[in-house]
Amino acid sequence: GEDVEQSLFLSVREGDSSVINCTYTDSSSTYLYWYKQEPGAGLQLLTYIFSNMDMKQDQRLTVLLNKKDKHLSLRIADTQTGDSAIYFCAEDGSSYKLIFGSGTRLLVRP
Amino acid sequence: DAGVTQSPTHLIKTRGQQVTLRCSPKSGHDTVSWYQQALGQGPQFIFQYYEEEERQRGNFPDRFSGHQFPNYSSELNVNALLLGDSALYLCASSLNQGADDEQFFGPGTRLTVL
Repeated sequence: GEDVEQSLFLSVREGDSSVINCTYTDSSSTYLYWYKQEPGAGLQLLTYIFSNMDMKQDQRLTVLLNKKDKHLSLRIADTQTGDSAIYFCAEDGSSYKLIFGSGTRLLVRP
Repeated sequence: DAGVTQSPTHLIKTRGQQVTLRCSPKSGHDTVSWYQQALGQGPQFIFQYYEEEERQRGNFPDRFSGHQFPNYSSELNVNALLLGDSALYLCASSLNQGADDEQFFGPGTRLTVL
């Protein structure tokens, strides 16, 4: 079946690192994505990783993929108050659609 | 480049009514997907349009229908509205180069059904 799971909430102090975790079920996914959604806004693609990669780094963002365990994580270094938002992981499965988790709300405390 | 645009921004309807939402894809994109995001949930795939035809459909009833025009813009129609149809409706566009095309999302239309 299709299911993407994320923890609901994460609170960190400004300047610390944030790690948001996700598990997915479709091993045929080609790409796995991280999207950011701010209040009242649409989805902003933050980064993505090809399924045959273990890690991808993009400035403050690091994505780790454990394909064996179907586990994806997003690490945000030096987290800022502007990073407060909801973060969604998504997989593309074996079709044209994206399958999203329920989102992790990140709260950055000053 | 204006990116993906959607109209209207907000909409209030009553049960039983019909609604039409509109989406203009990012310049150069030919594929449009629609998603429904209920409050506190992740987006759920409704359907995707390519070459003016519905290419794939998610688990939504026939009350949800769509259309793609020759200029690649798209409409989402929902008939016989239910309270449970209240949600943020997101449009995403992509360039058809394979099943893993990057999708760019619009700001969404927030539909409230009373």
